[in-house]
This record gives sequence, structure tokens and C-alpha cells, in this order.
Amino acid sequence: DAKTTQPPSMDCAEGRAANLPCNHSTISGNEYVYWYRQIHSQGPQYIIHGLKNNETNEMASLIITEDRKSSTLILPHATLRDTAVYYCIVRDYAGNMLTFGGGTRLMVKP
Amino acid sequence: GAVVSQHPSRVICKSGTSVKIECRSLDFQATTMFWYRQFPKQSLMLMATSNEGSKATYEQGVEKDKFLINHASLTLSTLTVTSAHPEDSSFYICSAGGGKRQETQYFGPGTRLLVL
Repeated sequence: DAKTTQPPSMDCAEGRAANLPCNHSTISGNEYVYWYRQIHSQGPQYIIHGLKNNETNEMASLIITEDRKSSTLILPHATLRDTAVYYCIVRDYAGNMLTFGGGTRLMVKP
Repeated sequence: GAVVSQHPSRVICKSGTSVKIECRSLDFQATTMFWYRQFPKQSLMLMATSNEGSKATYEQGVEKDKFLINHASLTLSTLTVTSAHPEDSSFYICSAGGGKRQETQYFGPGTRLLVL
């Protein structure tokens, strides 16, 4: 079973920041938080991952709470092409399988 | 990010035939590859884990004799759907990790299989 909880859907206005929450209250000390997204009829795309520090790359920022029980993925300036299902996944560093939950369907609207 | 390719991207076959799907890691050596299946409006479900040079590990409920997996090299894994039935119609996606890509798995673009 997936170890994360995400809202099933969210809307965001184009050009605004999209903040996608994820709860992972049972995360263990050696587990990372990964974010992927899946645009319709494509394979999932890696976005970002982190352990406990906040992370930023060219796609997004990842904010992890101090207790590590939740995190937020931030797309700073959402575009229509960011419309996708976003998956928050926890897994250990050893590279084991990814367990996908339901994800959040983000709809970016003009 | 790393590039993982799949071939074919789309295949239509008759019931009872076998279909082979290839998954290649193009810029790194993947010690582990994973095969997922996704039905419409559902999330990805792991079918099996494939380690180079050893037998694949199948998830509960996935028939190993029906879904044959071969991981003969560090850049290629194949999934063969044997004696395909209409209920095998789905979106099959592979992912690869390991080597210099130990931290992250990268996914292929997927193969849509339609069995008539």
C-alpha cells in the first residue's frame, strides 16, 4: 500500500504557484520523499526528491516539514503544460520499487 | 534526466498471440528495471522487478509464465505477454535505476497494448 495521502484533485491558475500537499506520517528515518508526474498517456516523469532539507531544481521546489510527516511540492509559475497527475512517493535510498498511490490531478487553467 | 526508451509505443494484436516489449536505458547501466501496468483511470501497479542476470521477482497475482521477463544486459529488459487476452490490454511502463542513477528511477514512455 502507498504510504502517502494526497488530495485527488486541484486547480491552479496559469502563472500562479501550484502548491501540492502530501502527507506521509509513517515515514521512517531512511526514507526519501519523491515526486513524479504523469502527463496523459505518457510514462511518469521524475521531478524532485529529498530527505529532510528543502530542495529546489529547475522544475520545482520541495518543502519538507521538520517532523517529515508532510511535504509540499511547489511549481512556482504553473503553465498549461503542467496539467498532470502528481505522485508523492516515499521509499528508501536503496532503490527499491516505487509504490504509486492515487496522486493529485492538477488542472492548470488559463 | 536519464533516458529510458520503450518499443513499441503501441501494439495491436490478436487474442492468443505473444507480444514482446523492450525497455532500454540509453545513457546508463541499469542494474534494476521494473515493469508496471496501468489500466485506464488507475494508478501504476508494479508487476515485477528485474535484476540483470537473475530471475525476475513477480508481485503477488502476476503470473510469471504469462509475463516473461528477461534482463539479459545492463541496458535492456524485455517483457513478453504470452497468449495475450483482451483483459491484458493495458498501458505497460518500465523504469530503470542503478549504476550512476542509483538514487532515482527513470521511466520509459510506455507501451499501449490492445488485444482484440
